[in-house]
Amino acid sequence: KNEVEQSPQNLTAQEGEFITINCSYSVGISALHWLQQHPGGGIVSLFMLSSGKKKHGRLIATINIQEKHSSLHITASHPRDSAVYICAVYKGGNKLVFGAGTILRVKS
Amino acid sequence: DADVTQTPRNRITKTGKRIMLECSQTKGHDRMYWYRQDPGLGLQLIYYSFDVKDINKGEISDGYSVSRQAQAKFSLSLESAIPNQTALYFCATSETSGRNEQFFGPGTRLTVL
Repeated sequence: KNEVEQSPQNLTAQEGEFITINCSYSVGISALHWLQQHPGGGIVSLFMLSSGKKKHGRLIATINIQEKHSSLHITASHPRDSAVYICAVYKGGNKLVFGAGTILRVKS
Repeated sequence: DADVTQTPRNRITKTGKRIMLECSQTKGHDRMYWYRQDPGLGLQLIYYSFDVKDINKGEISDGYSVSRQAQAKFSLSLESAIPNQTALYFCATSETSGRNEQFFGPGTRLTVL
């Protein structure tokens, strides 16, 4: 079993819909990272969080340390949000363990 | 200008050839990493370096070697490329302390025929 599991693996939404991507992990962590990878391949950091909730524009990330679970929400989704969203956890020693990613497609 | 750069961005090579992928950073970070990404799998750590004199193997180091020429440069070599090394390769950097957030380069798409 992977230490970091994401769901769903694939998600198709209509423009304007509220989107949730989930990440569950089975190890102790110091922080969790949400990353975005566009079709061109580059990886961009969205959030790094160790507790609570963070918001940036239409993106919201939450984490529940006790339940070992994090969610990434996108409000008022737009076709430009189409990308792969990757959850990664810091196990300690500065090493990241990555989920397989969620492929999001937002249709207009 | 990008803080973390990788060269080349795309490379097609043949089985048995020696290949070097280069990573440079202007962030002043001590820690640098090489990852490999295969379709449907999470990124996997190949090698990492916490400073110029420190090199460590990651999860999948077989068939790869690295060189940390300076704080700002970290190169990944495939001594004799094989087709199952076809993948997307990412370099990343992070600070030694503080947030430890990793910052990624744009990736190198390598195809081994």
